[in-house]
Amino acid sequence: KAGVTQTPRYLIKTRGQQVTLSCSPISGHRSVSWYQQTPGQGLQFLFEYFSETQRNKGNFPGRFSGRQFSNSRSEMNVSTLELGDSALYLCASSLAWSSYEQYFGPGTRLTVT
Amino acid sequence: GESVGLHLPTLSVQEGDNSIINCAYSNSASDYFIWYKQESGKGPQFIIDIRSNMDKRQGQRVTVLLNKTVKHLSLQIAATQPGDSAVYFCAENKGTSGTYKYIFGTGTRLKVLA
Repeated sequence: KAGVTQTPRYLIKTRGQQVTLSCSPISGHRSVSWYQQTPGQGLQFLFEYFSETQRNKGNFPGRFSGRQFSNSRSEMNVSTLELGDSALYLCASSLAWSSYEQYFGPGTRLTVT
Repeated sequence: GESVGLHLPTLSVQEGDNSIINCAYSNSASDYFIWYKQESGKGPQFIIDIRSNMDKRQGQRVTVLLNKTVKHLSLQIAATQPGDSAVYFCAENKGTSGTYKYIFGTGTRLKVLA
């Protein structure tokens, strides 16, 4: 069974731009969660989607948004990029909503210059 | 405030020895704790979890211990191997339906010495 895939793997953007990251969960998994990982803050929960609805949200500004499609694939969007948004963005899929066992993808490394 | 932290940022262990990675948490309402392993260039990999109503859980070569009295969580790796070299995170999962969230520790880097 294929694992969680994320595209692109690496991305360089300029301040003020916006970016869209994509995540394809493991086949059969209906929940997708997004995380931001930085050396200073570690792993921080962004949001979780299940059945195309956002179920949980972390403490990030409204510039961070997401959505989920009917095939469970998810996208995350960050608008008006700031230097501090440079991070590894990870998505994790699980069978059900609020499932404790999550499977992470390799992440998208975003660099904002 | 709420936090999940790790006592040691880097742990060096001789190959074949046992490793113990520690974690402190502050919220006694957390009902699940999870350990993840993250290798360079990869996403975190689920290792083992434990419910708050348990004190100990064993997996393959790993054991997680939960001490709720002192809000302490530990991961024990038996017969540490070079492939165990990675960053290990503990995480707590708390909240009621619809409000749960994961809080991750900053991570401990485990270095296995040959």
